[in-house]
Amino acid sequence: IAGITQAPTSQILAAGRRMTLRCTQDMRHNAMYWYRQDLGLGLRLIHYSNTAGTTGKGEVPDGYSVSRANTDDFPLTLASAVPSQTSVYFCASSPTPLFGVYNEQFFGPGTRLTVL
Amino acid sequence: GENVEQHPSTLSVQEGDSAVIKCTYSDSASNYFPWYKQELGKRPQLIIDIRSNVGEKKDQRIAVTLNKTAKHFSLHITETQPEDSAVYFCAAGSQGNLIFGKGTKLSVKP
Repeated sequence: IAGITQAPTSQILAAGRRMTLRCTQDMRHNAMYWYRQDLGLGLRLIHYSNTAGTTGKGEVPDGYSVSRANTDDFPLTLASAVPSQTSVYFCASSPTPLFGVYNEQFFGPGTRLTVL
Repeated sequence: GENVEQHPSTLSVQEGDSAVIKCTYSDSASNYFPWYKQELGKRPQLIIDIRSNVGEKKDQRIAVTLNKTAKHFSLHITETQPEDSAVYFCAAGSQGNLIFGKGTKLSVKP
């Protein structure tokens, strides 16, 4: 693995089904993020994790959950998918900030999710 | 919370001309302002960033300016080329979390 990867690349899902989007990074970054991207709305933060074992809510957390059992993995789960969750999902990671100075977020290739 | 406004939503320029994209933010605690470029079907990639202790930063044809008092920052691309065509996003944040603008679709006509 080089950088940050996401799986699956794309998925079509029936409404009401449970789905987990996977994100893995090998850069030993402490911080990880999940965004959704919708046309005309830019990137909106769903959940984040500043370090393994901790998570936090972003702008649009409803209907999504995350876990951070270790540094490398940050899965995003839709417990019961709805059509409004149709979107492109990007995972990102960032090095630990030093003295309050934050750094570049590196994005994964994205997952295109369609909920019917 | 933070709110980021980005203008214009679309911008069309002739090759060789300059392009300027502007963003405003609301939270005075924000201290990190990156700009991302996203080509069609690709992931966002950082092109330049600026921190709140700096007023201007330049990297070849790209420059960013920050006015903390007015809470706005701008991206300047000079001598535009067709490969600059993409969607550009500004963002603002602190404590590691970023709030993104809605994006500007830049088209550079040959």
